Parts: sequence; C-alpha cells; structure tokens
Amino acid sequence: EAQVTQNPRYLITVTGKKLTVTCSQNMNHEYMSWYRQDPGLGLRQIYYSMNVEVTDKGDVPEGYKVSRKEKRNFPLILESPSPNQTSLYFCASSLSPVSYNEQFFGPGTRLTVL
Amino acid sequence: EDKVVQSPLSLVVHEGDTVTLNCSYEVTNFRSLLWYKQEKKAPTFLFMLTSSGIEKKSGRLSSILDKKELSSILNITATQTGDSAIYLCVITNMDTGRRALTFGSGTRLQVQP
Repeated sequence: EAQVTQNPRYLITVTGKKLTVTCSQNMNHEYMSWYRQDPGLGLRQIYYSMNVEVTDKGDVPEGYKVSRKEKRNFPLILESPSPNQTSLYFCASSLSPVSYNEQFFGPGTRLTVL
Repeated sequence: EDKVVQSPLSLVVHEGDTVTLNCSYEVTNFRSLLWYKQEKKAPTFLFMLTSSGIEKKSGRLSSILDKKELSSILNITATQTGDSAIYLCVITNMDTGRRALTFGSGTRLQVQP
C-alpha cells in the first residue's frame, strides 16, 4: 500500500531535549516536505527536499533541521525544542514538486513541548 | 508574497443543508488552486482547478475557479455528518520548492445530525 508514515504519532517532551520525528515513504517519490499546522495559521512549510542530499528551507525553518540521506526517509530534527514548537506536524511526499494533486500526507505527529 | 484567505473560518450546519466555502487568493504566478479535506488526520486531496469557469464535481462536492475575481468556491450539497472536517484551499505557483505552495488557514465545517 502506497503510504507516508510518521513516528511517533504523539510526543510530549520537555524544553531542550533533542528529538527526531521520522518520515518514510514507499512510493519512490523525489519530493518530500515537512509542514507544521497551527490554529488560524494553516499549514506552513518548514523544510523541503527535492531529492537525496538536496534540502532547503521553507517558510518557518528556525529551530529545525532535516536530512535526506536516502530517498525514502526525511527525518525532522529538533535539536533543542521549545514550547513554541508545540504543533501538529505533517510530512508529505510527491513524485515531483509540481505533482501537487498527488501529494501524499503522513498521518501527522502531535508534539507538545513543556 | 502569495496569500490565501478562506471564509468563513468556521460554520455549523444541519444534515441536508447546502454549504458554500470561499477561497480568495493573491499569487505572483498562478499555476493551480487545490482543495483538500482534513479530518482527524492528514489532508486528502479533493480537487485541482486550473481554468476559470469549469466546474469540477465529485458526488455532492463541486468547485469552480474564477481567475478574474481571484477566488474559488467549494460547494457541498445535502451535507452529511461525515462531511465534518477542515477544508483547506491551497494555491500553487510556477515556482518550485518552498514558494510553490501556499495554504489557507482552512474552514472548519461541523455538520450536526
């Protein structure tokens, strides 16, 4: 089954404790991205990746890192989480940046930073 | 900077009602307008609109784009409780990468039995 998976689905952590949210897709997609969703602000892009070893900042990259060592995985790293990073996070992938109607979203990760 | 404004922010209707959701946008180099439905999980794709005046239809849902007015509407007829969700409007432009997609903040629809 074609899908994007994220782990964990829910995470409560404390300020400053490094964490990683994993994202994996099994569709051989080139384009992957991370979004955060906050009430009243919609989805905002954090980072995106056009292909292996090619990543770039989105609209709200501060406080986040990503890596794309393999095509299928695109982990989101918070080196020192802060409460303002409490949010709902989505990973998405598509065949190419222009395949918008074929963009697949992961199930979401709800992160709470205390 | 590209911008998407959706209205209303939230509405509550009864089963059987018809609703119209609005999306207006500003974009530097328009490619398409997308509608997504988001329940308690990830957004799922509904429609992609690229041409003005051509209605896209899927069951009780339909949508149309007006490039002159820089807007789109999403209609849902004979609403059901399963239509309760956040509906997201997304603009894409000709750029690639981070500036290619701009999301609206969504309209939260609640359909009561």
